[in-house]
Amino acid sequence: QQQVKQSPQSLIVQKGGISIINCAYENTAFDYFPWYQQFPGKGPALLIAIRPDVSEKKEGRFTISFNKSAKQFSLHIMDSQPGDSATYFCAAVESNFGNEKLTFGTGTRLTIIP
Amino acid sequence: DSGVTQTPKHLITATGQRVTLRCSPRSGDLSVYWYQQSLDQGLQFLIHYYNGEERAKGNILERFSAQQFPDLHSELNLSSLELGDSALYFCASSVTSGVAGELFFGEGSRLTVL
Repeated sequence: QQQVKQSPQSLIVQKGGISIINCAYENTAFDYFPWYQQFPGKGPALLIAIRPDVSEKKEGRFTISFNKSAKQFSLHIMDSQPGDSATYFCAAVESNFGNEKLTFGTGTRLTIIP
Repeated sequence: DSGVTQTPKHLITATGQRVTLRCSPRSGDLSVYWYQQSLDQGLQFLIHYYNGEERAKGNILERFSAQQFPDLHSELNLSSLELGDSALYFCASSVTSGVAGELFFGEGSRLTVL
């Protein structure tokens, strides 16, 4: 049972374009939504995160859009660069009296072409 | 460099065998998490330890066990190995007992079961 559904599985974007990755969830107890970036041969690293009380968070070229009613959130990468080529994971956290559990989406392999 | 050290980086073994994966968290981090990453399943949460105490269990098989030692390093023991156990095993650490903060991942241990 995949609690966080991520799409697309892979994405090819031209340099300078906008990369968009979408995630959806069912569990309304999720209360924190981070995105992780993973380069080949490395572990995932936190990229940006959002709480459900805001609809958008921007950090440089990376923006998270959050739609609480639709239970969807997405990552937008503006002016995509070849160095952004990586696998991106959305995730969701359910706080449970200090025993939070982090659930990852299945990942999106992003390739930025010149 | 995340500061999380995992050994070994690569491990090849046969079905039915037992292996131990080791993780040293970042200095000062009390929480250690183990994740399994396979091509078709993404990042699957296995288990979480905080300051030597088990805090949460995910999809961890009974053939697998883990512990966190007084010096805070952790070991993941995989026994009666099957072909399907071949995967990347990641360790992550954080300062707190919850994941609402940032998780710092190691570079993983790649296990191949032949």
